[in-house]
Amino acid sequence: QVQLVESGGGVVQPGGSLRLSCAASGFTFSSYNMHWVRQAPGKGLEWVTFIRYHGNSKYYADSVKGRFTISRDNSKNTLYLQMNSLRAEDTALYYCAKEEGNSGYYPDWGQGTLVTVSS
Amino acid sequence: QSVLTQPPSVSAAPGQKVTISCSGSYSNIGNNYVSWYQQLPGTAPKLLIYENNKRPSGIPDRFSGSKSGTSATLGITGLQTGDEADYYCRTWDTSLSVGVFGGGTKVTVL
Repeated sequence: QVQLVESGGGVVQPGGSLRLSCAASGFTFSSYNMHWVRQAPGKGLEWVTFIRYHGNSKYYADSVKGRFTISRDNSKNTLYLQMNSLRAEDTALYYCAKEEGNSGYYPDWGQGTLVTVSS
Repeated sequence: QSVLTQPPSVSAAPGQKVTISCSGSYSNIGNNYVSWYQQLPGTAPKLLIYENNKRPSGIPDRFSGSKSGTSATLGITGLQTGDEADYYCRTWDTSLSVGVFGGGTKVTVL
């Protein structure tokens, strides 16, 4: 079955960087668009970014544009999120999610990896 | 402030029905499919409804979705204590080229 396993979270100082990974298995990773969604403590879900299956198209929320970069390695079945210039408001649980079809819904989510930005 | 507007909370007695609204605009709900997610405390979101009104296998028919114009609605009938959770609508905004979630609605079973 589909498995998405995020890793790479941790505590980082404001202005620092972190790279998250999402290891995918149980499906043909190279055929699916992939998304990152985050959830700040006690808050709602926030869409962060998505990358098309071929990796050539990427979209970002305004809140992270210019600071975060999504990428994928289809040979390694892995999705990445490079986060630079981190701010306190980036503190959240980061989920990767697999998009089904092309209508933007997520039947499959990872368990999330926690990023804490604090001095 | 979310692009999609949901009521912060709804409540009803066991066995009753609740509806959760998700209000948007022409560029998001008006032109794209809506999906709905249930999030139980401490867990990842779970897909309840996709493409406005379709249920994935395993989701009981107590859950239903609809869309009209720039609004979507999630309905839950036969409310159970296990339905106490946060519920989110989601779509794509074509003008902004971003994904958007509603702010979430907490369902309480009285």
